[in-house]
Amino acid sequence: IVMTQTPLSLSVTPGQPASISCKSSQSLLRSDGKTYFYWYLQKPGQSPQLLIYEVSNRFSGVPDRFSGSGSGTDFTLKISRVEAEDVGVYYCMQTIQLPLTFGGGTKVEIK
Amino acid sequence: EVQLVQSGGGLVKLGGSLRLSCTASTFPLSPFGMTWVRQAPGKGLEWVSSISSSGRYIFYADSVKGRFTISRDDAKDSLYLQMNSLRAGDTAVYFCARVLQVDPLIPFFYYYMDVWGKGTTVTVSS
Repeated sequence: IVMTQTPLSLSVTPGQPASISCKSSQSLLRSDGKTYFYWYLQKPGQSPQLLIYEVSNRFSGVPDRFSGSGSGTDFTLKISRVEAEDVGVYYCMQTIQLPLTFGGGTKVEIK
Repeated sequence: EVQLVQSGGGLVKLGGSLRLSCTASTFPLSPFGMTWVRQAPGKGLEWVSSISSSGRYIFYADSVKGRFTISRDDAKDSLYLQMNSLRAGDTAVYFCARVLQVDPLIPFFYYYMDVWGKGTTVTVSS
C-alpha cells in the first residue's frame, strides 16, 4: 500500500493552524470496523513518537490541539494552533497490510 | 520511564554482518510484539521486520528477506536483528519499537508502535 503525504513541507506562524493530508492506495478499513491508520511525529534528532492511532484517537499525553480525521483512503492531521515544539517531520502509516508502509513525511517548521 | 535501549550499530564493510540489540530496561518484553524500522540518511521511515510476542510469527520487508533475521530472548528482555550480506542500501539508523497486541484475534502488526528506542546507526562501506 502506497501512502502519499502532502505537502512535503509546511512553514507555519505560531498560533496558526496547520493541516497535513495522507492518501492510501487502498482502503485501510478492516472487516472489524477499525481503520488501521496512524500518525507519528519525529522531532529533530529524536525517534518517532505516536500521535494518533486508528485515524482519530490521540495517544496518551498528546495535546488536544492535534486531531485526526478521515476514512477509507483519505486522512488528515490538523494542528489547531501550532507551537514551537511541534516542529519536525510528520509521518502517516498503515498497518492493515504487509509490508507496513509510511508516507514520505511532511516537514513542519516555524516561521 | 518506559524505554528501549539499543546497541550494536557501527561501521561494517560491504557483505559483512552485524547484530543489533534492543533491551527493554524498564518493562518485561514478553507481552509485546516488536518491530524494527530504519531510516536512511535524510530519508523517511521504512519498516524492516516484526516479531510477535510468542516469536511464532515473523515478517520481513522484501528488501531484507533472506539476509536479516529477527529474534527475541524474553529471559533477557531483548530483541535482536542479525544482519548479513550487508549492502550500501542498508546504511541507516535502525529503531526498535514495541507493539501491544490488544486483541489476540487481530494480527499483532496491526497495532501501533508506542515505545521506540533512540536508534542505532549502521554504516555499510566499501
